[in-house]
Amino acid sequence: RKEVEQDPGPFNVPEGATVAFNCTYSNSASQSFFWYRQDCRKEPKLLMSVYSSGNEDGRFTAQLNRASQYISLLIRDSKLSDSATYLCVVNIAGTYKYIFGTGTRLKVLA
Amino acid sequence: GAVVSQHPSWVICKSGTSVKIECRSLDFQATTMFWYRQFPKQSLMLMATSNEGSKATYEQGVEKDKFLINHASLTLSTLTVTSAHPEDSSFYICSARAPSDEQFFGPGTRLTVL
Repeated sequence: RKEVEQDPGPFNVPEGATVAFNCTYSNSASQSFFWYRQDCRKEPKLLMSVYSSGNEDGRFTAQLNRASQYISLLIRDSKLSDSATYLCVVNIAGTYKYIFGTGTRLKVLA
Repeated sequence: GAVVSQHPSWVICKSGTSVKIECRSLDFQATTMFWYRQFPKQSLMLMATSNEGSKATYEQGVEKDKFLINHASLTLSTLTVTSAHPEDSSFYICSARAPSDEQFFGPGTRLTVL
């Protein structure tokens, strides 16, 4: 079983739609969680950290469920520029290593 | 935000040659840097953790004699792919851990081995 699992997609949604991605992790020692965005042939860029209390940044909302070991990302009012691969990233307690999920591809259609 | 650079951004080489990739943190000191590899349509896979002044820690399945890592200063780590073969063709990305513990990624190096 992969340490961090995501549905690879692609998710094809119209502009203005709301879309949600989930990610599950297997290591209960995971302590920090992030969503990164990666555009084609580019490096990943931090979208947002995920806190236990959940957090929101504009159109993006992230949630963490430690009991079920999953995190989610909700994108409201999708824009064409949101088209990218969204990577779920987990950091294991006591290490500085980041474990990446395979990513979920999003295509926002005009 | 902090900037991490990589050089070269892309390289094409013949099979059997060695290729060195540099990763620099431009505005902070990084005691720890990481090297990742990403094959097409796959996720980033951590190859090794590079520690300034000490030996790198390699992930399971990564050959340390093939992927030589040197972290000689607080702002520079290098990855040398020795005797490269076509199956080593990939996107190599480094990240540097800032004093805040946040990781910043370099722009990546695309390696093509003919």
